[in-house]
Amino acid sequence: DQQVKQNSPSLSVQEGRISILNCDYTNSMFDYFLWYKKYPAEGPTFLISISSIKDKNEDGRFTVFLNKSAKHLSLHIVPSQPGDSAVYFCAAVEYGNKLVFGAGTILRVKS
Amino acid sequence: DTGVSQDPRHKITKRGQNVTFRCDPISEHNRLYWYRQTLGQGPEFLTYFQNEAQLEKSRLLSDRFSAERPKGSFSTLEIQRTEQGDSAMYLCASSHSRLAGTDTQYFGPGTRLTVL
Repeated sequence: DQQVKQNSPSLSVQEGRISILNCDYTNSMFDYFLWYKKYPAEGPTFLISISSIKDKNEDGRFTVFLNKSAKHLSLHIVPSQPGDSAVYFCAAVEYGNKLVFGAGTILRVKS
Repeated sequence: DTGVSQDPRHKITKRGQNVTFRCDPISEHNRLYWYRQTLGQGPEFLTYFQNEAQLEKSRLLSDRFSAERPKGSFSTLEIQRTEQGDSAMYLCASSHSRLAGTDTQYFGPGTRLTVL
């Protein structure tokens, strides 16, 4: 049973517009979440994280929102750039520091 | 480059052969993790070291898999008697444990294993 779900396999956005990537989780014990970006033939690159004591965290063009009651988080990228085209993974930290990943969302930013 | 490195980047082997992968973490990172990623899925946790101690193993890690981190620096992951189902990307990550809060894991480029 998948504890972290990214229900949109892909997303296509015009350059300059907002990209919104969504993630849902089922385990209410999760209290720390991360987003990673992955290009082909490379390992995942850390983007941004959020603790459950917050509902928002910003870093430049990237903002992560957390809705604990809905067990939902989202990553907003504004403005989107062609170089943002990649696979985005949502991950939750389980006990023992291991990460539980979603299946990923492919983002395509069209110029 | 002071990131996580993995060797080899690609490995093709025949079913039944043994393979070994190496991971060099970021200097002074005391935690090291192995994950496996198959097509269309996110990475799945395999095992985790703090210094040289292997603290946790996933049930995905059958007895054909063994991992070591002998001096608390680099780590090796060995797969014995490989099967076609072992074909995947094997990712290594490292982090530095913090006194409070959650440490961030940084990933290497991965080793892509193909079992024929």
